[in-house]
Amino acid sequence: DGGITQSPKYLFRKEGQNVTLSCEQNLNHDAMYWYRQDPGQGLRLIYYSQIVNDFQKGDIAEGYSVSREKKESFPLTVTSAQKNPTAFYLCASSRYEQYFGPGTRLTVT
Amino acid sequence: AQSVTQPDIHITVSEGASLELRCNYSYGATPYLFWYVQSPGQGLQLLLKYFSGDTLVQGIKGFEAEFKRSQSSFNLRKPSVHWSDAAEYFCAVGWGTGANNLFFGTGTRLTVIP
Repeated sequence: DGGITQSPKYLFRKEGQNVTLSCEQNLNHDAMYWYRQDPGQGLRLIYYSQIVNDFQKGDIAEGYSVSREKKESFPLTVTSAQKNPTAFYLCASSRYEQYFGPGTRLTVT
Repeated sequence: AQSVTQPDIHITVSEGASLELRCNYSYGATPYLFWYVQSPGQGLQLLLKYFSGDTLVQGIKGFEAEFKRSQSSFNLRKPSVHWSDAAEYFCAVGWGTGANNLFFGTGTRLTVIP
């Protein structure tokens, strides 16, 4: 059963801690993406990767980092430098159109 | 600069009524067009897409959309809305490399009343 998995669904962290969100896909897609979703703002692109070992910054990359060591995996680290990290994070992958995972809701207090 | 506009933040329709959600984009090049649906706390599901060819495209769940180049629009329609259609709907547009760099609208929340 092909798809995109994100874990965990809910994540809670204290301010000042780094946190890594997982994204795995078994669709054999080359491209993967991370978006942030806030109420009333739609989706904003954080990072994307078109191929293994390569990735580019999106519109709001500051305070985030990624890696793409395997085709199936594209983890996102939310660092302590991200000023307002509480949000809903969505991972996607694509060949021709983007398919999305179920999302991770991160709450930082 | 590229941008996508969904002018309606919230729409309420009665079950069984027809629906049209609006989407407009800026930029002159031929776009790749998508509609996604999102239930609360969930990811986005692709409803339909337009890459080329027939400008009226059919999607899942009985939805269709029409690309009108002269109006820079890609409106989503459904002839008869079901209560399960209540969700948030996002229009997305890509240029050049297709799906690799999408611009999303801010979404339209659909409420369905009995």
